[in-house]
Amino acid sequence: AQKVTQAQTEISVVEKEDVTLDCVYETRDTTYYLFWYKQPPSGELVFLIRRNSFDEQNEISGRYSWNFQKSTSSFNFTITASQVVDSAVYFCALSEETSGSRLTFGEGTQLTVNP
Amino acid sequence: DAGVIQSPRHEVTEMGQEVTLRCKPISGHDYLFWYRQTMMRGLELLIYFNNNVPIDDSGMPEDRFSAKMPNASFSTLKIQPSEPRDSAVYFCASASGPPNTEAFFGQGTRLTVV
Repeated sequence: AQKVTQAQTEISVVEKEDVTLDCVYETRDTTYYLFWYKQPPSGELVFLIRRNSFDEQNEISGRYSWNFQKSTSSFNFTITASQVVDSAVYFCALSEETSGSRLTFGEGTQLTVNP
Repeated sequence: DAGVIQSPRHEVTEMGQEVTLRCKPISGHDYLFWYRQTMMRGLELLIYFNNNVPIDDSGMPEDRFSAKMPNASFSTLKIQPSEPRDSAVYFCASASGPPNTEAFFGQGTRLTVV
């Protein structure tokens, strides 16, 4: 069965600090996909990134970067030089090849960036 | 494209009443999903459709819940009769393909059953 764990329930940082959100997943499939979504206070879910299990190359997009390590079943998300607008709940999610398009979400991490 | 459109944004109803949530997916997307978000259970998939056909409804909590997709541009999630424990935010999402494509979410319907 697939499972996603985000052990950090809440994180609070001061603006301009770097912050890493952890995500650990469990799956028996060899082909799977990992996602990060952002849920700002307004409530909508915003797609950030998708990764497939065959591509362990880390990715950087502006202040965002993702570290995918199959050896530790982790897909961590780092925000560099955090800003107040980064305050949101961040969800990590997993989709398995064999379970169709079902997304299994982690519990989410509430990030608060203080000025 | 305007994205996934859900209506209403907020719904308050009395226990026992029928509630219908509506969703218009992104044009051209073949997959449509209904998720529910609660504090206790987080985000959980209720049901999803491919080309208007329900594929997996194992997440539907009980027979009081039903979902339909009569055409490619419209879906409904109905709760009849509603109960206070159904209070949650219901999200609709659509995707252009499985399972390696990202799903785009609507803004959600916040349902309160009193």
